[in-house]
Amino acid sequence: QSVLTQPPSVSGAPGQRVTISCTGGSSNLGADYDVHWYQQLPGTAPKLLIYGNTNRPSGVPDRFSASKSGTSASLAISGLQADDEANYYCQSYDSRLSASIFGGGTKLTVL
Amino acid sequence: VKLLESGGAVVRPRGSLRLSCAAFGFSFRSYAMNWVRQVPGKGLEWVASISGSDGSTKYADSVKGRFTISRDNLKNILYLEMNSLRGEDSAMYYCAKDPHEWLVENYYFESWGQGTLVTVSA
Repeated sequence: QSVLTQPPSVSGAPGQRVTISCTGGSSNLGADYDVHWYQQLPGTAPKLLIYGNTNRPSGVPDRFSASKSGTSASLAISGLQADDEANYYCQSYDSRLSASIFGGGTKLTVL
Repeated sequence: VKLLESGGAVVRPRGSLRLSCAAFGFSFRSYAMNWVRQVPGKGLEWVASISGSDGSTKYADSVKGRFTISRDNLKNILYLEMNSLRGEDSAMYYCAKDPHEWLVENYYFESWGQGTLVTVSA
C-alpha cells in the first residue's frame, strides 16, 4: 500500500477535463514537501510532467496543470486526447521514511 | 539528455548483478543520480540516490545493506551493485537524473532512461 493514495483509474471523453488526486499525510505533503507528477505511456519509461507542485517542464503542453493544498494534490488534464491514455504517478518526499515516495498510480482511459 | 541502462539479466536468488547507466548530453558530475524500479504492471519504487561529486548516498530500506550505488564521473556512468538478490527485487530498473547536485529532500526525477530488466528466479 502506497503512502500517497491515488485513484486506480479515471476516464473521460476526448476534449473533456479530468482530475487525478493524490492524498498524503503529515510527514509528506502536509509537511510542505513538493509533489511531482509523471506520465508513463504504455511500454515506455516514466516522463516528468509537473515538478514543484505546479511547474511544467519545457515541452509539456499547458493542458496539464496541477495544484497542492495541505495533504492533497491534484493533476488536471484538459482537452483530453487519445494519446493522453497512460498511467500517472504522483511523487513526494516523506520525512518519517526519509525516502522519496510514489503514489500507486492512476490509469487514465480516454473513452 | 540521454540515459542508457544495461546489465539486466536473469539471476538466481542470493546472486549478484551490476547495473550500469551511461549518461550523455549533460555535465554528469554536476547532478545527483537515482535508481528507481518498477515491477512490471505495478507502481514505481525509489531505490537509491547518489550526489554529483561528494559521494553521498541514500537507500530505500528495502535494499539497504544489499545494494550499492556508485558513479564514475570520468566515464559518465552510474552503477548499481546488487547483492543477495531476492525474488521481490525482480523489476525494471530505471536510472533517473536529479535536477540538483546534492542530495536534497525535495528531489525529483527529471529525466529517465529506458530501463533494464532484472529477473530473480531459480
